[in-house]
Amino acid sequence: GAVVSQHPSWVICKSGTSVKIECRSLDFQATTMFWYRQFPKQSLMLMATSNEGSKATYEQGVEKDKFLINHASLTLSTLTVTSAHPEDSSFYICSAREAGPSEQFFGPGTRLTVL
Amino acid sequence: GIQVEQSPPDLILQEGANSTLRCNFSDSVNNLQWFHQNPWGQLINLFYIPSGTKQNGRLSATTVATERYSLLYISSSQTTDSGVYFCAGARTGGGNKLTFGTGTQLKVEL
Repeated sequence: GAVVSQHPSWVICKSGTSVKIECRSLDFQATTMFWYRQFPKQSLMLMATSNEGSKATYEQGVEKDKFLINHASLTLSTLTVTSAHPEDSSFYICSAREAGPSEQFFGPGTRLTVL
Repeated sequence: GIQVEQSPPDLILQEGANSTLRCNFSDSVNNLQWFHQNPWGQLINLFYIPSGTKQNGRLSATTVATERYSLLYISSSQTTDSGVYFCAGARTGGGNKLTFGTGTQLKVEL
């Protein structure tokens, strides 16, 4: 199967700082990447969809000014959590897929803790 | 968006037993995937199965698209099968955005 990486795998930051998470498709070109958030003991919730070279589309209730997404190339998307607060602490997971209706492949996730 | 119901929410098996996990969708889907989330949070792709039946070792899956459900079969379960199983579907014409079910927490005991 295709491989998706994420960096960092975990991060601890102080309240008010910004954190950037990278998502890379290592062996395929990802026309679309997705960002999810998972709280403990819960399912994954889609935050936003990003297509290479265009603005991300956010799900209802997700603040686009707080969660900045950039998809500058066919292999890289970044999620920046701006002015992070403790309630932003969560497990963030990205996925990627090629063009057309196709299988999504998931990164290993990034565990964010905001103190 | 679509609603995805998974059952059962929790399942405890003795090693060697078989089990069936079910996923119901509120609308037609053109992408349906099953995952196993390991203890470190990584989602492992089990099946991409918008329709039909597939098998991979002790695991198999069947999707009946016209009736909007999918089944995941685990045969001869092993302790390493423990973890959370998710199904997820993307509504036809919905931009391939996956909606996840609430998951089945499986524990296989010796």
